[in-house]
Amino acid sequence: DTAVSQTPKYLVTQMGNDKSIKCEQNLGHDTMYWYKQDSKKFLKIMFSYNNKELIINETVPNRFSPKSPDKAHLNLHINSLELGDSAVYFCASSHNRQTGELFFGEGSRLTVL
Amino acid sequence: GESVGLHLPTLSVQEGDNSIINCAYSNSASDYFIWYKQESGKGPQFIIDIRSNMDKRQGQRVTVLLNKTVKHLSLQIAATQPGDSAVYFCAERTGGGNKLTFGTGTQLKVEL
Repeated sequence: DTAVSQTPKYLVTQMGNDKSIKCEQNLGHDTMYWYKQDSKKFLKIMFSYNNKELIINETVPNRFSPKSPDKAHLNLHINSLELGDSAVYFCASSHNRQTGELFFGEGSRLTVL
Repeated sequence: GESVGLHLPTLSVQEGDNSIINCAYSNSASDYFIWYKQESGKGPQFIIDIRSNMDKRQGQRVTVLLNKTVKHLSLQIAATQPGDSAVYFCAERTGGGNKLTFGTGTQLKVEL
């Protein structure tokens, strides 16, 4: 079983559309994250939730809205997609908010045309 | 595939040699440091971590060294294997909330 799974793996869409990426972890972890990796491989945190509570909210446009229905799921919804949103988005989880050992999903490559 | 024009720092080593990947971090208040490995098409994978009250930590075939005086971190891989080929990232944590700041990454290429 995949520990951190995210869907879809690839997403190609037009500017202005709204899209969602889903993430689920079956590790029983308390903390989940969304990271964005750009074309230069630079990884930057976007959000983090601990037991469904938002604990990290980096400076991202408010077109990006995370939702955590329970501690095993953290979804990312993006409104009014722009060309600059094209990137690989990684979901991750960790046992708690103290450890730096994050378990990453395989990534969702978003291409905005 | 890879992006056109992507130029990560690259380290090329012969199979069986030792590799040393270096990282300079920015914040002297960082209390915790981690190394991640990212293979092509996959998510980053945790390798080893070290807290700021230590200067060395060893794992299986890997050693992390921390020099807080010059804000430098290194990852040593012993007897490098083809499976070690990947992009390696250092990350530092400053403050609460487990916010990790990742470095730019180093591409390790293992030549047979």
